[in-house]
Amino acid sequence: DSGVTQTPKHLITATGQRVTLRCSPRSGDLSVYWYQQSLDQGLQFLIQYYNGEERAKGNILERFSAQQFPDLHSELNLSSLELGDSALYFCASSAAGGADQPQHFGDGTRLSIL
Amino acid sequence: GQQVMQIPQYQHVQEGEDFTTYCNSSTTLSNIQWYKQRPGGHPVFLIQLVKSGEVKKQKRLTFQFGEAKKNSSLHITATQTTDVGTYFCAGLVNTDKLIFGTGTRLQVFP
Repeated sequence: DSGVTQTPKHLITATGQRVTLRCSPRSGDLSVYWYQQSLDQGLQFLIQYYNGEERAKGNILERFSAQQFPDLHSELNLSSLELGDSALYFCASSAAGGADQPQHFGDGTRLSIL
Repeated sequence: GQQVMQIPQYQHVQEGEDFTTYCNSSTTLSNIQWYKQRPGGHPVFLIQLVKSGEVKKQKRLTFQFGEAKKNSSLHITATQTTDVGTYFCAGLVNTDKLIFGTGTRLQVFP
């Protein structure tokens, strides 16, 4: 158990819809990262938050947005969903803001777009 | 853009055989991390290498960071079925951006 909690585990929705994925980091961790992993693909970094502030941005689409709340949990919002957005979305957390910290991953949310 | 490539993409070995995956970056890395993702699971941090030419061992796993800090390797001696999974390297660029490699999927046949 990594200590990172992601909900929901599975999400099935239709094209054009909007969903919110939730992540609670490990106790004491201040950074949260979001990744997308498509079938048989690597991990695509989307965005990082550190102590409530956006820290780094990767290949995140304009239809996607994220935030980190004062209690340090984070949400990833995906809107105007397309078939290609079907993927496994991982959240990871680390102790500090630097990307040199080991990251601890949650179990992921599997998003299926019908 | 900055890329971290891994080879091979897939590797099938007989239990007891050795396995090596190679990680190559187009730019110099500040450090490199390795993760393992079991089938149906999430990536799990294995190790971090920081110094040029650094070698670290974890039981049957040997990790190496190249002298130029642009490549790295993971070698598993005498594979076991528990080694099955996808191994990712992740390189730190400019101390602020961690780029995951494309991964090597290892299958071990008993």
